[in-house]
Amino acid sequence: QKEVEQDPGPLSVPEGAIVSLNCTYSNSAFQYFMWYRQYSRKGPELLMYTYSSGNKEDGRFTAQVDKSSKYISLFIRDSQPSDSATYLCAWGDSNYQLIWGAGTKLIIKP
Amino acid sequence: NAGVMQNPRHLVRRRGQEARLRCSPMKGHSHVYWYRQLPEEGLKFMVYLQKENIIDESGMPKERFSAEFPKEGPSILRIQQVVRGDSAAYFCASSPAAGTGEQFFGPGTRLTVL
Repeated sequence: QKEVEQDPGPLSVPEGAIVSLNCTYSNSAFQYFMWYRQYSRKGPELLMYTYSSGNKEDGRFTAQVDKSSKYISLFIRDSQPSDSATYLCAWGDSNYQLIWGAGTKLIIKP
Repeated sequence: NAGVMQNPRHLVRRRGQEARLRCSPMKGHSHVYWYRQLPEEGLKFMVYLQKENIIDESGMPKERFSAEFPKEGPSILRIQQVVRGDSAAYFCASSPAAGTGEQFFGPGTRLTVL
């Protein structure tokens, strides 16, 4: 079993829709959780970072962590064509190594 | 405040040649990480360095690959005698401290081995 499972997509939704992206993980040692956005042929950009269960909101983005289920989600409200990118989830333990999902490709149709 | 800088952005090498990839971390950051990304795949950790020290190179192939982060100048990822399987995007990230998870990435170097 992979340490991180993430649906590769592509996920295609109309502009303005609410987007839900999900990842599951297997290692209980993970303590902090991140979502990165990666545009084509660019480096990943940190979107959200959290180390506790519950919700964290930043503008149109909400990260949700459920440690008991080993499940994290990223919600994007009022999605825009500029949100079209690959979204990567990542986990870390108390050290420095991050474990990455393979990424979900998101397409927002105008 | 400049972000993480990497150069070159694109590098083409023939099999057997050497590839040198450079990374300048964000100002104030002393921790550097190198990752490799193959098409349609996630990032794979290669090596973690602090100034003048390799902290963890567990993700780096034992042969042909080496990394350094000297006291002065950028971090260098060096690949000797490149093979076609080395073709990938190589990303560098930096952080102000270890163990926080907040790593900031450069634009990457795309290596193509002919």
